[in-house]
Amino acid sequence: DTGVSQNPRHKITKRGQNVTFRCDPISEHNRLYWYRQTLGQGPEFLTYFQNEAQLEKSRLLSDRFSAERPKGSFSTLEIQRTEQGDSAMYLCASSLGTGGRNEQFFGPGTRLTVL
Amino acid sequence: AQSVAQPEDQVNVAEGNPLTVKCTYSVSGNPYLFWYVQYPNRGLQFLLKYITGDNLVKGSYGFEAEFNKSQTSFHLKKPSALVSDSALYFCAVRDMLRRTSGTYKYIFGTGTRLKVLA
Repeated sequence: DTGVSQNPRHKITKRGQNVTFRCDPISEHNRLYWYRQTLGQGPEFLTYFQNEAQLEKSRLLSDRFSAERPKGSFSTLEIQRTEQGDSAMYLCASSLGTGGRNEQFFGPGTRLTVL
Repeated sequence: AQSVAQPEDQVNVAEGNPLTVKCTYSVSGNPYLFWYVQYPNRGLQFLLKYITGDNLVKGSYGFEAEFNKSQTSFHLKKPSALVSDSALYFCAVRDMLRRTSGTYKYIFGTGTRLKVLA
């Protein structure tokens, strides 16, 4: 257990439905990241928060995706009008400090299946 | 652009034998390199990192990695493999998101599945 939790662990939904995932980072970590991992691939960066501010978004993050981190604590990732191509493992990670020296701690992920 | 490559999709090794999982990198500037392990239906667990200093880095669960600047490699090693080491291993490199705020993301390799045979 890394100290980062994600809920739900699994989500099955029908195409066109909206889904929301939650990430609770390690409490003192001010930096929070979302990644997406598809089968046979390494995780790919989606978005980054420093405290409550969303500072970076990948081109992978279409306008159907939105992420928030109110009050700089937990974060949510919402996907609207899901498509089959959204099926993947969504990973959250958190870290402390600057300069990229400190490793990111990953949660167990939310596996999304879009039927 | 920063990148890492893991040339082997799968590595098989007998229990008790030494193991090596390969990673090569391409970066501009000094590389910050990481190894993570992923067990089925689990997130990634940090094993070790190279930032600066000694080329041989020791990490969790008896793993170590050797940074080789001339060969641009960062291979993961363990002297004696255990069946419980069987998992998916990812190499990653730090990539700058925004210079002004000093923020970074990871770029991961495609992963290497390690199978340790009893």
